Amino acid sequence: GESVGLHLPTLSVQEGDNSIINCAYSNSASDYFIWYKQESGKGPQFIIDIRSNMDKRQGQRVTVLLNKTVKHLSLQIAATQPGDSAVYFCAENAGGTSYGKLTFGQGTILTVHP
Amino acid sequence: DTGVSQDPRHKITKRGQNVTFRCDPISEHNRLYWYRQTLGQGPEFLTYFQNEAQLEKSRLLSDRFSAERPKGSFSTLEIQRTEQGDSAMYLCASSRLGQGDEKLFFGSGTQLSVL
Repeated sequence: GESVGLHLPTLSVQEGDNSIINCAYSNSASDYFIWYKQESGKGPQFIIDIRSNMDKRQGQRVTVLLNKTVKHLSLQIAATQPGDSAVYFCAENAGGTSYGKLTFGQGTILTVHP
Repeated sequence: DTGVSQDPRHKITKRGQNVTFRCDPISEHNRLYWYRQTLGQGPEFLTYFQNEAQLEKSRLLSDRFSAERPKGSFSTLEIQRTEQGDSAMYLCASSRLGQGDEKLFFGSGTQLSVL
């Protein structure tokens, strides 16, 4: 079946560096993509989203890039901080009646060293 | 606290027992979702409600699972005759239809361990 996946399961960076987390998706019908952050013992926390009619969207210290040609999504975190350490999931939605019905990837563990 | 609330946080049960989880969504949110997450994996969609109507169920939701949202506010998820494979984190999320992007806000989940 179609699914969302991640290239790297772990990423280790130094505090202050920029981080890039990548995600590949295979459902060409997907038109809404979201990045979530999940800390231990907590539910996923929304970071940023992007629709398929855009290729870039910026938030506070985060940028999401979407390349529909190669079905690739990335999350860039600027000036990474120890508090950014968590598991990051990309998720996609193929539309229909609910944008909340999401298919999540496996996750990338981000570790930020002080 | 005005976020999504789930109860209990942890549940340990013996195989064959029934369990019930509760979710209280953000008050003005009319959509409520249940997801299941196993260790090292992303959450998997189970079912969702719009107000009190259950609009979609995943193939993952076997006959032993039932979810309700009787008054369009809180929801319950019941698992009957639990199996060890049911051990997982059960996440609830809510959203408000009409915003155009339908951001999901997740609770902290109920961690189920079936012995």
